[in-house]
Amino acid sequence: QKEVEQNSGPLSVPEGAIASLNCTYSDRGSQSFFWYRQYSGKSPELIMFIYSNGDKEDGRFTAQLNKASQYVSLLIRDSQPSDSATYLCAVNISGGSYIPTFGRGTSLIVHP
Amino acid sequence: DGGITQSPKYLFRKEGQNVTLSCEQNLNHDAMYWYRQDPGQGLRLIYYSQIVNDFQKGDIAEGYSVSREKKESFPLTVTSAQKNPTAFYLCASSTASGVSSYNEQFFGPGTRLTVL
Repeated sequence: QKEVEQNSGPLSVPEGAIASLNCTYSDRGSQSFFWYRQYSGKSPELIMFIYSNGDKEDGRFTAQLNKASQYVSLLIRDSQPSDSATYLCAVNISGGSYIPTFGRGTSLIVHP
Repeated sequence: DGGITQSPKYLFRKEGQNVTLSCEQNLNHDAMYWYRQDPGQGLRLIYYSQIVNDFQKGDIAEGYSVSREKKESFPLTVTSAQKNPTAFYLCASSTASGVSSYNEQFFGPGTRLTVL
């Protein structure tokens, strides 16, 4: 069973702080990694993707990938209450079909 | 406006009934997917289709059926054989991808199905 693991949280951070969300995966052949944000009752929306080791920055968001340790993380700088949502990690596992496997998501609460 | 539409937004089913959830996309995407989400859970793949007239079972296909007669449409039928169908159902689409390709999925707004 190829798995994607996330701490369900909730992760609570004060407004303006850095929120750090982590995701580990079991398949060493995984090639593409995605972070989706899902507000309560809504559908997921892509906020970041990464497929090379290292950091990728987009505005307040930074995705970090370490294939040797099999983890991918998402940092949110200057967290805002509007960032409060569930963050889903998705991994395109190897094997040809490249259907992403989703983690259960981490609930983030940013309090004023 | 390009995107994915799902209907209805809310659906109520009596036990023993089959119901069909609609999913339409005008993004010209080859691949379409159906996921189920239960409270506090991630997305679990029900069925996917990478080309018209072809589809594959996902991790939890039992009690569900699909068709892909048109590129734009991928309806999901929840049959009476699905014993616990109450959930949030999400349809997604993406460009078909090959090895080492980036393959972002775009999601519809979802259908919330409740069994009465």
